[in-house]
Amino acid sequence: DTGVSQDPRHKITKRGQNVTFRCDPISEHNRLYWYRQTLGQGPEFLTYFQNEAQLEKSRLLSDRFSAERPKGSFSTLEIQRTEQGDSAMYLCASSPLLSPGEQFFGPGTRLTVL
Amino acid sequence: TQLLEQSPQFLSIQEGENLTVYCNSSSVFSSLQWYRQEPGEGPVLLVTVVTGGEVKKLKRLTFQFGDARKDSSLHITAAQPGDTGLYLCAGASGGSNYKLTFGKGTLLTVNP
Repeated sequence: DTGVSQDPRHKITKRGQNVTFRCDPISEHNRLYWYRQTLGQGPEFLTYFQNEAQLEKSRLLSDRFSAERPKGSFSTLEIQRTEQGDSAMYLCASSPLLSPGEQFFGPGTRLTVL
Repeated sequence: TQLLEQSPQFLSIQEGENLTVYCNSSSVFSSLQWYRQEPGEGPVLLVTVVTGGEVKKLKRLTFQFGDARKDSSLHITAAQPGDTGLYLCAGASGGSNYKLTFGKGTLLTVNP
């Protein structure tokens, strides 16, 4: 068990550029989640996959955000036309099917939009 | 909107002292998780509690879930500098019990 991994760990981009983040969950976990965390706040739920199906998207996820999990394994989160307000830590988590609340987080991707 | 209030927000103590942090909500949760987060890293899961009144111990850490499953506490005995970090509670709810709602956290500093 190697845990949840995320890539890249840090991303600096200019406003208006597109960025894509990758998450590799714990291999036997069916469920995968994306959260966003800003300074001084706890993580906020963005979206959730069970296998390859995206089952819920938060209202925080504007049309510029899209997430995929094409084969039910790794997931990608893309942000188009980035804005300074997108600067945050993007966290991925996974959980086993029978204990959905028991979520294991990756190290996160720190996004800075200049 | 479900909210989790954590208190205190900041706590600075000396090595060897005991402390308790609290997590309160007006909502009922199907499970409650405690995490510890270090700067620049993702939260690390410490414990999951699911039954009202449940108490779990992890070495010097004791976690309690309220009888009504609306609140929780974390007690640390004889704190050590290695306990320093941001402690987050997160409740799971919803039809599929998958969406975690986090508190803002308690930032603990244990001074040697």
